[in-house]
Amino acid sequence: GAVVSQHPSWVICKSGTSVKIECRSLDFQATTMFWYRQFPKQSLMLMATSNEGSKATYEQGVEKDKFLINHASLTLSTLTVTSAHPEDSSFYICSARVRALVGYTFGSGTRLTVV
Amino acid sequence: DQQVKQNSPSLSVQEGRISILNCDYTNSMFDYFLWYKKYPAEGPTFLISISSIKDKNEDGRFTVFLNKSAKHLSLHIVPSQPGDSAVYFCAARGGTSYGKLTFGQGTILTVHP
Repeated sequence: GAVVSQHPSWVICKSGTSVKIECRSLDFQATTMFWYRQFPKQSLMLMATSNEGSKATYEQGVEKDKFLINHASLTLSTLTVTSAHPEDSSFYICSARVRALVGYTFGSGTRLTVV
Repeated sequence: DQQVKQNSPSLSVQEGRISILNCDYTNSMFDYFLWYKKYPAEGPTFLISISSIKDKNEDGRFTVFLNKSAKHLSLHIVPSQPGDSAVYFCAARGGTSYGKLTFGQGTILTVHP
């Protein structure tokens, strides 16, 4: 079935540095990738939607200059958290819509801790 | 504005019995509903879905019911197994071309042996 590989699974970084999270679709072409974040014991909140070859669409309240999304190919989308601060610590998950299947497939998530 | 709500934060069920997880929504433009199972520090795993034009969909032990007039859906798991213990999220897809999902808050299901 459709698999999305997300890396890294966890990362610890210092405040002020940038972190890149990658999501790759392994056996299908992901024209659209969704990026979510989840705080402990809360729901998954959509941050942005990226379409291959075009600019990402950000949800209200999400800083596009802080969360840079690139979807340069049909198999790779990246989220870069720039100048990370402790309040950016969260669980980030990507998801791709798979047209041939019912539903959406998710990456395994990245636990970001900013110290 | 929480458009998708799961009002029960947790549910505890005995093994072999039925688990019923509920979800309510407010946006009548949602055209597709999905249920996901999630473990801590992992991505959600797709379970079952239902189109807004249907009222029931069944897949093995999982059945999803949709009541459009009440804007309510439920997931039935029969029989429940200890391995079903996880957080369950319902999600709804809006009527947009790129189909973003809106998630409920999740319900922690615990199935006791």
